Amino acid sequence: DIQMTQSPSSLSASVGDRVTITCRASQSISNYLNWYQQKPGKAPKLLIYAASSLQSGVPSRFSGSGSGTDFTLTISSLQPEDFATYYCQQSYNAPFTFGPGTKVDVK
Amino acid sequence: QVQLVQSGSELKKPGASVKVSCKASGYTFTNYVLNWVRQAPGQGLEWMGWINTNTGNPTYAQGFAGRFVFSVDTSVSTAYLQISSLKAEDTAVYYCAREGIAARDPEDYYYMDVWGKGTTVTVSS
Repeated sequence: DIQMTQSPSSLSASVGDRVTITCRASQSISNYLNWYQQKPGKAPKLLIYAASSLQSGVPSRFSGSGSGTDFTLTISSLQPEDFATYYCQQSYNAPFTFGPGTKVDVK
Repeated sequence: QVQLVQSGSELKKPGASVKVSCKASGYTFTNYVLNWVRQAPGQGLEWMGWINTNTGNPTYAQGFAGRFVFSVDTSVSTAYLQISSLKAEDTAVYYCAREGIAARDPEDYYYMDVWGKGTTVTVSS
């Protein structure tokens, strides 16, 4: 199975900050990498698919990059509604494993 | 609008069974695979597997074969997750999620683009 790791596990930031979250796969997954946002008590929401494609309706301050084993989710200017937990997920091979998550909270 | 509506919370005793439903609307149910994802209290997301809604053929992640059964009833555009011989460690929120596809010749990309709100299953004596 492909293992996914994320760093950091949590971070504190302020509104307006640029935030970067890293995801690493245990083997090459090309660009079969998705990013989700989850707020407490809510279902996850798709942000980015195929490593860098923005899902319809998602603000352009979210962007994704990377290929192979190393990927990045960037929030260019953090907004109040962006405080949440972010998960990466590989869709290269079943089982389609998720990373452990990165919690973004208020500094 | 496209949505997945899941059944309500369940409280079950150890050893019992539970059946969670996920009703699709706003799109052609059989055109999309349906995933199941588990989230234990305070934990991350765990992919349980998926079901081909057209053929009814399920695929289970390791650890979810046996007591967990995926099924569909296409006549009512609904997918089901049945868990038997419930254990305390099955306590979790269970999500269904539609598998979206981005066709990018020569490859297709898959992602979970529509999610149900989740069904909380609590197993306690």
